[in-house]
Amino acid sequence: AQKITQTQPGMFVQEKEAVTLDCTYDTSDPSYGLFWYKQPSSGEMIFLIYQGSYDQQNATEGRYSLNFQKARKSANLVISASQLGDSAMYFCAMREDFGNEKLTFGTGTRLTIIP
Amino acid sequence: DSGVTQTPKHLITATGQRVTLRCSPRSGDLSVYWYQQSLDQGLQFLIQYYNGEERAKGNILERFSAQQFPDLHSELNLSSLELGDSALYFCASSVGQGANNEQFFGPGTRLTVL
Repeated sequence: AQKITQTQPGMFVQEKEAVTLDCTYDTSDPSYGLFWYKQPSSGEMIFLIYQGSYDQQNATEGRYSLNFQKARKSANLVISASQLGDSAMYFCAMREDFGNEKLTFGTGTRLTIIP
Repeated sequence: DSGVTQTPKHLITATGQRVTLRCSPRSGDLSVYWYQQSLDQGLQFLIQYYNGEERAKGNILERFSAQQFPDLHSELNLSSLELGDSALYFCASSVGQGANNEQFFGPGTRLTVL
Protein backbone atom coordinates (compact mmCIF):
# COMPACT_ATOMS: atom_id res chain seq x y z
CA ALA A 1 0.00 0.00 0.00
CA GLN A 2 1.31 3.43 -0.88
CA LYS A 3 2.12 5.25 2.30
CA ILE A 4 2.80 8.72 0.91
CA THR A 5 0.69 10.15 -1.87
CA GLN A 6 1.45 13.28 -3.80
CA THR A 7 -1.31 13.74 -6.35
CA GLN A 8 0.12 16.74 -8.21
CA PRO A 9 2.82 15.62 -10.65
CA GLY A 10 3.37 19.21 -11.79
CA MET A 11 2.31 22.74 -10.88
CA PHE A 12 2.80 26.14 -12.46
CA VAL A 13 2.56 29.18 -10.22
CA GLN A 14 3.02 32.89 -10.85
CA GLU A 15 5.95 34.48 -9.04
CA LYS A 16 5.04 36.06 -5.68
CA GLU A 17 1.92 33.95 -5.30
CA ALA A 18 1.50 31.39 -2.53
CA VAL A 19 1.44 27.71 -3.47
CA THR A 20 0.22 24.61 -1.68
CA LEU A 21 1.71 21.22 -2.44
CA ASP A 22 -0.46 18.31 -1.36
CA CYS A 23 0.65 15.27 0.61
CA THR A 24 -1.44 12.55 2.23
CA TYR A 25 -0.06 9.66 4.20
CA ASP A 26 -1.14 6.36 5.63
CA THR A 27 0.12 4.82 8.84
CA SER A 28 -1.14 2.93 11.85
CA ASP A 29 1.86 4.02 13.91
CA PRO A 30 0.73 6.66 16.48
CA SER A 31 4.17 8.26 16.44
CA TYR A 32 5.64 9.43 13.17
CA GLY A 33 7.36 12.32 11.49
CA LEU A 34 6.60 14.09 8.25
CA PHE A 35 9.23 15.82 6.15
CA TRP A 36 9.43 17.92 3.03
CA TYR A 37 12.49 18.01 0.81
CA LYS A 38 13.31 20.14 -2.22
CA GLN A 39 15.30 18.77 -5.12
CA PRO A 40 16.48 21.41 -7.61
CA SER A 41 17.66 20.47 -11.07
CA SER A 42 21.19 20.13 -9.70
CA GLY A 43 20.00 16.99 -7.89
CA GLU A 44 20.72 17.54 -4.23
CA MET A 45 18.02 16.91 -1.62
CA ILE A 46 17.43 19.92 0.61
CA PHE A 47 15.56 19.51 3.89
CA LEU A 48 12.80 22.11 4.25
CA ILE A 49 10.54 21.38 7.18
CA TYR A 50 9.53 18.73 9.73
CA GLN A 51 6.28 17.98 11.57
CA GLY A 52 5.98 15.45 14.37
CA SER A 53 2.73 13.60 14.86
CA TYR A 54 2.40 14.89 18.41
CA ASP A 55 3.25 18.49 17.61
CA GLN A 56 0.36 20.72 18.56
CA GLN A 57 1.23 23.53 16.20
CA ASN A 58 1.92 23.53 12.49
CA ALA A 59 5.60 23.76 11.66
CA THR A 60 6.97 26.89 10.01
CA GLU A 61 10.40 27.68 8.59
CA GLY A 62 10.67 31.07 6.93
CA ARG A 63 8.46 31.05 3.83
CA TYR A 64 7.60 27.39 4.34
CA SER A 65 4.78 26.17 6.52
CA LEU A 66 3.23 22.78 6.92
CA ASN A 67 -0.54 22.51 7.05
CA PHE A 68 -0.89 19.41 9.23
CA GLN A 69 -4.37 17.90 9.47
CA LYS A 70 -3.94 14.73 11.47
CA ALA A 71 -7.49 13.43 11.20
CA ARG A 72 -7.35 13.74 7.43
CA LYS A 73 -3.79 12.38 7.34
CA SER A 74 -2.57 15.26 5.27
CA ALA A 75 0.61 17.31 5.51
CA ASN A 76 0.53 19.95 2.82
CA LEU A 77 3.47 22.27 2.22
CA VAL A 78 2.67 25.94 1.80
CA ILE A 79 5.22 28.24 0.21
CA SER A 80 4.42 31.90 0.60
CA ALA A 81 5.53 34.62 -1.83
CA SER A 82 7.02 32.19 -4.32
CA GLN A 83 10.32 33.00 -6.00
CA LEU A 84 11.92 31.82 -9.23
CA GLY A 85 14.40 29.84 -7.17
CA ASP A 86 11.56 27.76 -5.76
CA SER A 87 11.28 25.92 -9.08
CA ALA A 88 12.21 22.34 -8.22
CA MET A 89 10.87 18.90 -7.36
CA TYR A 90 9.32 18.68 -3.92
CA PHE A 91 9.08 15.42 -2.00
CA CYS A 92 6.98 14.60 1.01
CA ALA A 93 8.35 11.85 3.24
CA MET A 94 7.33 10.01 6.38
CA ARG A 95 9.18 8.19 9.10
CA GLU A 96 7.31 5.78 11.35
CA ASP A 97 8.86 5.73 14.77
CA PHE A 98 8.01 2.19 15.74
CA GLY A 99 9.46 0.85 12.57
CA ASN A 100 12.98 1.49 11.40
CA GLU A 101 14.10 5.01 10.75
CA LYS A 102 13.88 4.97 6.99
CA LEU A 103 12.12 7.73 5.14
CA THR A 104 9.34 6.69 2.79
CA PHE A 105 8.97 9.19 -0.02
CA GLY A 106 6.13 10.22 -2.26
CA THR A 107 6.53 10.50 -6.00
CA GLY A 108 7.11 14.23 -5.87
CA THR A 109 5.62 17.38 -7.36
CA ARG A 110 7.48 19.41 -9.94
CA LEU A 111 6.90 23.08 -9.18
CA THR A 112 7.60 25.70 -11.83
CA ILE A 113 7.48 29.38 -10.92
CA ILE A 114 6.53 31.63 -13.81
CA PRO A 115 7.97 35.17 -13.87
CA ASP B 1 25.73 22.65 1.99
CA SER B 2 24.34 19.89 4.21
CA GLY B 3 27.73 18.83 5.56
CA VAL B 4 27.37 15.33 4.11
CA THR B 5 29.93 14.53 1.43
CA GLN B 6 29.75 11.87 -1.24
CA THR B 7 32.33 10.72 -3.74
CA PRO B 8 32.49 10.36 -6.63
CA LYS B 9 29.91 12.75 -8.00
CA HIS B 10 29.57 10.83 -11.25
CA LEU B 11 30.46 7.27 -12.13
CA ILE B 12 30.19 5.61 -15.51
CA THR B 13 30.87 1.92 -15.77
CA ALA B 14 29.92 -1.21 -17.69
CA THR B 15 27.57 -4.05 -16.92
CA GLY B 16 29.07 -6.75 -14.74
CA GLN B 17 31.47 -4.37 -13.02
CA ARG B 18 31.75 -3.48 -9.34
CA VAL B 19 31.85 0.04 -7.87
CA THR B 20 32.19 1.60 -4.44
CA LEU B 21 30.39 4.75 -3.39
CA ARG B 22 31.69 6.66 -0.41
CA CYS B 23 29.91 8.85 2.12
CA SER B 24 31.14 11.00 5.00
CA PRO B 25 28.37 12.03 7.40
CA ARG B 26 28.03 15.40 9.09
CA SER B 27 30.33 15.87 12.05
CA GLY B 28 28.73 14.25 15.09
CA ASP B 29 26.14 12.23 13.17
CA LEU B 30 26.13 8.54 14.04
CA SER B 31 23.53 7.29 11.57
CA VAL B 32 24.09 6.87 7.85
CA TYR B 33 21.36 5.99 5.39
CA TRP B 34 21.61 5.03 1.73
CA TYR B 35 18.86 5.77 -0.76
CA GLN B 36 18.49 5.06 -4.46
CA GLN B 37 16.61 7.40 -6.79
CA SER B 38 15.66 6.01 -10.18
CA LEU B 39 13.09 7.06 -12.74
CA ASP B 40 10.97 3.94 -12.40
CA GLN B 41 11.27 3.29 -8.65
CA GLY B 42 11.49 6.81 -7.27
CA LEU B 43 13.36 7.36 -4.00
CA GLN B 44 13.90 4.12 -2.11
CA PHE B 45 15.60 3.36 1.17
CA LEU B 46 18.39 0.82 0.88
CA ILE B 47 20.11 0.45 4.24
CA GLN B 48 20.94 2.22 7.50
CA TYR B 49 23.97 2.01 9.77
CA TYR B 50 24.19 3.38 13.27
CA ASN B 51 27.57 3.78 14.92
CA GLY B 52 29.13 1.04 12.84
CA GLU B 53 26.33 -1.49 12.99
CA GLU B 54 23.64 -2.30 10.47
CA ARG B 55 20.33 -1.09 11.83
CA ALA B 56 17.75 -1.44 9.09
CA LYS B 57 17.48 -2.85 5.62
CA GLY B 58 15.15 -1.83 2.86
CA ASN B 59 14.90 -2.89 -0.75
CA ILE B 60 18.59 -3.59 -1.12
CA LEU B 61 19.63 -6.20 -3.65
CA GLU B 62 21.90 -9.06 -2.63
CA ARG B 63 24.45 -7.72 -5.13
CA PHE B 64 24.69 -4.58 -3.01
CA SER B 65 26.39 -4.31 0.35
CA ALA B 66 27.41 -1.54 2.68
CA GLN B 67 29.44 -0.92 5.78
CA GLN B 68 30.18 1.88 8.22
CA PHE B 69 33.72 2.26 9.45
CA PRO B 70 35.00 3.29 12.91
CA ASP B 71 35.44 6.88 11.71
CA LEU B 72 31.73 6.72 10.75
CA HIS B 73 32.19 7.10 7.02
CA SER B 74 30.25 4.58 4.97
CA GLU B 75 30.70 2.77 1.69
CA LEU B 76 28.09 1.24 -0.58
CA ASN B 77 29.39 -1.55 -2.79
CA LEU B 78 27.48 -2.43 -5.94
CA SER B 79 28.56 -5.54 -7.83
CA SER B 80 27.58 -7.41 -11.00
CA LEU B 81 26.10 -4.17 -12.20
CA GLU B 82 23.10 -4.18 -14.51
CA LEU B 83 21.65 -1.44 -16.69
CA GLY B 84 18.81 -1.04 -14.21
CA ASP B 85 21.23 -0.06 -11.46
CA SER B 86 21.74 3.29 -13.15
CA ALA B 87 20.44 5.80 -10.63
CA LEU B 88 21.28 8.61 -8.28
CA TYR B 89 22.53 7.20 -4.97
CA PHE B 90 22.15 9.37 -1.93
CA CYS B 91 23.72 9.11 1.45
CA ALA B 92 22.02 10.85 4.37
CA SER B 93 23.06 11.25 7.97
CA SER B 94 21.40 12.08 11.24
CA VAL B 95 22.47 12.52 14.83
CA GLY B 96 21.04 9.22 15.93
CA GLN B 97 17.63 7.98 16.73
CA GLY B 98 14.43 9.68 17.76
CA ALA B 99 11.19 11.15 16.60
CA ASN B 100 12.39 14.44 15.13
CA ASN B 101 15.57 13.09 13.70
CA GLU B 102 16.20 15.08 10.56
CA GLN B 103 18.13 13.35 7.81
CA PHE B 104 20.50 15.54 5.87
CA PHE B 105 21.34 14.38 2.38
CA GLY B 106 24.61 14.48 0.52
CA PRO B 107 24.83 15.70 -3.08
CA GLY B 108 24.49 12.17 -4.45
CA THR B 109 26.51 9.94 -6.76
CA ARG B 110 25.08 9.56 -10.24
CA LEU B 111 25.82 6.06 -11.48
CA THR B 112 25.49 5.24 -15.15
CA VAL B 113 25.83 1.62 -16.21
CA LEU B 114 26.43 1.15 -19.94
